[in-house]
Amino acid sequence: EPEVTQTPSHQVTQMGQEVILRCVPISNHLYFYWYRQILGQKVEFLVSFYNNEISEKSEIFDDQFSVERPDGSNFTLKIRSTKLEDSAMYFCASTTSGPLREKLFFGSGTQLSVL
Amino acid sequence: GESVGLHLPTLSVQEGDNSIINCAYSNSASDYFIWYKQESGKGPQFIIDIRSNMDKRQGQRVTVLLNKTVKHLSLQIAATQPGDSAVYFCAENGDNTGGFKTIFGAGTRLFVKA
Repeated sequence: EPEVTQTPSHQVTQMGQEVILRCVPISNHLYFYWYRQILGQKVEFLVSFYNNEISEKSEIFDDQFSVERPDGSNFTLKIRSTKLEDSAMYFCASTTSGPLREKLFFGSGTQLSVL
Repeated sequence: GESVGLHLPTLSVQEGDNSIINCAYSNSASDYFIWYKQESGKGPQFIIDIRSNMDKRQGQRVTVLLNKTVKHLSLQIAATQPGDSAVYFCAENGDNTGGFKTIFGAGTRLFVKA
């Protein structure tokens, strides 16, 4: 069964460093998303992406965050200068035909630890 | 405003019993709801969904009930098994969310006792 894959599974970084989280969405999916989950809390929307541009972003997704689809298969989340509060599990997701009334397919996540 | 929340943070059931996980939503215009299951160390996984023009939908061992009058959603798991132990999230999606996103509730952790 097709699945969303994320790398790395764990990332440890120093505060102020840049990190890039990588995702390979399901191949025939057109919409891509990043969510994050702080330990023990709910899953929070960060950004949605379609046709090489951001569709919507939350207030969490500030200027330190950016997303990119550098080629036909990868979808990345970059945090330019990490803060302690960026420590969380980051999930990539994709949907087939759109974000409305569509179930999300999630990857297994990247656990980001900022020291 | 937009919010989807859960009544109980944890639920403990005996193996073989039925489980009921509840969720309240605040936006009366919401028209699509989804339940996700999250096992330890994994991403949320789709379980079942329901549109607002329905009040019940059944899957394999799972049933979702929607009460639009009181803005309440529930997930029923029949004959709960150890493999059902996980965190369950209700989520909302639809035109009324003001954009292209699914909003998750706080989650309920289900413990299944052998």
